[in-house]
Amino acid sequence: ETGVTQTPRHLVMGMTNKKSLKCEQHLGHNAMYWYKQSAKKPLELMFVYNFKEQTENNSVPSRFSPECPNSSHLFLHLHTLQPEDSALYLCASSQGGGGGLNEQFFGPGTRLTVL
Amino acid sequence: ILNVEQSPQSLHVQEGDSTNFTCSFPSSNFYALHWYRWETAKSPEALFVMTLNGDEKKKGRISATLNTKEGYSYLYIKGSQPEDSATYLCALEEAGANNLFFGTGTRLTVIP
Repeated sequence: ETGVTQTPRHLVMGMTNKKSLKCEQHLGHNAMYWYKQSAKKPLELMFVYNFKEQTENNSVPSRFSPECPNSSHLFLHLHTLQPEDSALYLCASSQGGGGGLNEQFFGPGTRLTVL
Repeated sequence: ILNVEQSPQSLHVQEGDSTNFTCSFPSSNFYALHWYRWETAKSPEALFVMTLNGDEKKKGRISATLNTKEGYSYLYIKGSQPEDSATYLCALEEAGANNLFFGTGTRLTVIP
């Protein structure tokens, strides 16, 4: 139990659907991250939020839209996805704020399938 | 995007064997090297964070070494057990960066 939860764990959606992934951390951290994990590729960083402000957008298509309403919650809104977006989406959190080790704690991921 | 490489990609060992794998990384702006253990259907779990050249860390039967000058880290597992079966990820943290750069992982299977 890492203190980071993600829902749903599995999601199947059509290309015209709109859905959201949710991440919640109970660690008192200030930074949260979305990663994408595709088969045989390294974890790809998508977005970083530090104290609720987006500090990194790693050239992610606009069909992925993050939202961070507070330091404990992070959402990833999905719309008009493509089949190649099927992957495992991992959320992580860290202390944030800079000036220290960026040890990240991960959720279990959402396995997304786009039909 | 930084090139963090791990080898081998996958590994099968017999229960009781010792094994090791490698993480190599560009060393020019090094700050820390992270190792994670990732069991199927679970969250990646932090094993070690290493910062100093020559550093060696140990947790039970698992240990890791770090060479920041040549840009590599080794992870060792002594007397492998079936419960060690997992993917082992390393990640580079650069000075001043807000994120980690991950390798593709080494998938270890320990055969009973």
